[in-house]
This record gives sequence, structure tokens and C-alpha cells, in this order.
Amino acid sequence: QKEVEQNSGPLSVPEGAIASLNCTYSDRGSQSFFWYRQYSGKSPELIMSIYSNGDKEDGRFTAQLNKASQYVSLLIRDSQPSDSATYLCAVRGAAGNKLTFGGGTRVLVKP
Amino acid sequence: GAVVSQHPSRVICKSGTSVKIECRSLDFQATTMFWYRQFPKQSLMLMATSNEGSKATYEQGVEKDKFLINHASLTLSTLTVTSAHPEDSSFYICSARDRIGSFSGNTIYFGEGSWLTVV
Repeated sequence: QKEVEQNSGPLSVPEGAIASLNCTYSDRGSQSFFWYRQYSGKSPELIMSIYSNGDKEDGRFTAQLNKASQYVSLLIRDSQPSDSATYLCAVRGAAGNKLTFGGGTRVLVKP
Repeated sequence: GAVVSQHPSRVICKSGTSVKIECRSLDFQATTMFWYRQFPKQSLMLMATSNEGSKATYEQGVEKDKFLINHASLTLSTLTVTSAHPEDSSFYICSARDRIGSFSGNTIYFGEGSWLTVV
């Protein structure tokens, strides 16, 4: 079992709709969770970080965390073509300070 | 905002030669830097954690004698790919942790990445 799992996609979303991305992780002691966006050929950029159960909203983005289910999600509201990218879920485990990345979900927003 | 600079952004080298990639934190001190490798259409794979003034910690399966990491100062870490082969061609990305801030996504900054092609 991979430490951090994501559906590879592509997730095709009409412009203006909500894109919903999911991520599960295996280390129950994980404390910090992050969503990064990566455009093709570029390095990742941080979108959201979340540390406690529940929802966290930032602009058009909402991260949701459920530690009991070892599940973290990202919602993108009013999706724009510029949101087309690969979204990486990253988790910091209980031991150490390194981030473990999921395989990423490719999102395609169609005009 | 905080900036992490990588150099070179693209490099082509001949098989069997060595190539060095630099990662610099431009406006903050980084006690810890991380080196990742990313193959096309795959996720980032952590290669090693570089700690200032001490030996790097390598992930399982990463050859420490092939991927030499030096973190001699709080603002510079280098990755040297020795005796490069075509299968080492990849996108190499570093990230740096701000010494001042507590560990959080907001204080982990990624460099722009370096494309290595071994011919």
C-alpha cells in the first residue's frame, strides 16, 4: 500500500463547476497535510495546508480533513481553465519532518 | 516572498560524467533542504534530506555514492549526480525549510527545478 494515494485522473470538469479531489494516507500519526498545484514542467506551488479535522477555506479552495478516516480532500469552486494542472497531496508523518507526496490528480477544466 | 533558486534550470551531460545542481535559499536560512526527483507523469520522490553541517539522510533505494549531497551553509545545498547515465535523466527539485518558522507548508519553499538530460 502506498503511503499517500490519489486517483490519477484525469478529472474533467466544466468551467464554473466544482472539482473534488481526494487523498488517503496510511500513517495514522500524520499531523500535517498539504495540497500543491503543479503545472507541467514546473515545480509545485502550495495551495492549502490543513492540520486539524474539519474544513479550511481559502478563496475558491476548501480543504477537508478527517483523521479518523485518514482522508483529506480539496474542493475547487468555480473552476477556471487556469486551474488545469496536477494536484499533489502531501503528508508529513508522525516521525521526522519530510513530506510524502501522492501520485497526483490531473485536473482538466474545459471552457 | 521567500525564494529558493536552483541552478542550472536545464543541463545536458554526456553519459559517464558528473553534474552538479545548486539549491540556494535567497532570503532566508535553511537548516534543512530536501531533494526530490520526478520522472515524467509521476509524482515527486524524495531522494534525501540535507541538513546543514551534517551528512544527508538518504531514502531507501537511493545510492548515496551516486547522488552526492553537500549542505555546507545555511543557504546552499548541492546535489551532484556522479557517473550519470541516461536513466538518471529526470526533473530534480529541491525544497528548503525556513530555520525561523515552525514546520508547516507555509515555510517549505520549492525551487524551480532542474531538468537533467543524460545523452
